[in-house]
Amino acid sequence: GEDVEQSLFLSVREGDSSVINCTYTDSSSTYLYWYKQEPGAGLQLLTYIFSNMDMKQDQRLTVLLNKKDKHLSLRIADTQTGDSAIYFCAESSDYGGSQGNLIFGKGTKLSVKP
Amino acid sequence: DVKVTQSSRYLVKRTGEKVFLECVQDMDHENMFWYRQDPGLGLRLIYFSYDVKMKEKGDIPEGYSVSREKKERFSLILESASTNQTSMYLCAIRSYGGNQPQHFGDGTRLSIL
Repeated sequence: GEDVEQSLFLSVREGDSSVINCTYTDSSSTYLYWYKQEPGAGLQLLTYIFSNMDMKQDQRLTVLLNKKDKHLSLRIADTQTGDSAIYFCAESSDYGGSQGNLIFGKGTKLSVKP
Repeated sequence: DVKVTQSSRYLVKRTGEKVFLECVQDMDHENMFWYRQDPGLGLRLIYFSYDVKMKEKGDIPEGYSVSREKKERFSLILESASTNQTSMYLCAIRSYGGNQPQHFGDGTRLSIL
């Protein structure tokens, strides 16, 4: 079945850029999402990209999509301690279907050191 | 702003009890989802609903049931709670059509003793 893979941990220094990577297997993926989860909270939608795009930028966030390699990345510029959280990659593979089920990766825990 | 409200942030129950987790939305969205989140396992889909009184099993429905009598409310029921159901439970909603994102509540951390 479909699968989404992420590395489990990433540690960076405050002010550096963070790059969180994700690979997926479903070639029919239409939208890919990044969610952020702070300790003890639910998932917050950060950004998403349509599969016919290769890049999307939103303030400090840059999403890159390599559809050929099924690789998605999230770059956070000037990483701050408030960016410490778990980041989930997710893909949606039903073509505008009514159900909107997502396949999630296991999440990457980002630790930002002062 | 999308608002998804889960009735409790923390809940402690005993083995064998019947447990109700409630999720309420104010967005009139058709689709609602229940997940559980466990360390090292990520998010796993328990049940979802795409309309009132409609429900579909997710990946791990065993030991759970759901109820959706009104569009805005989706309840997860643990018929007879067991210790292996200790987990973080997350509710999500989604609007019908296209690839709209899911929006999540803050979660309920449930402990079964």
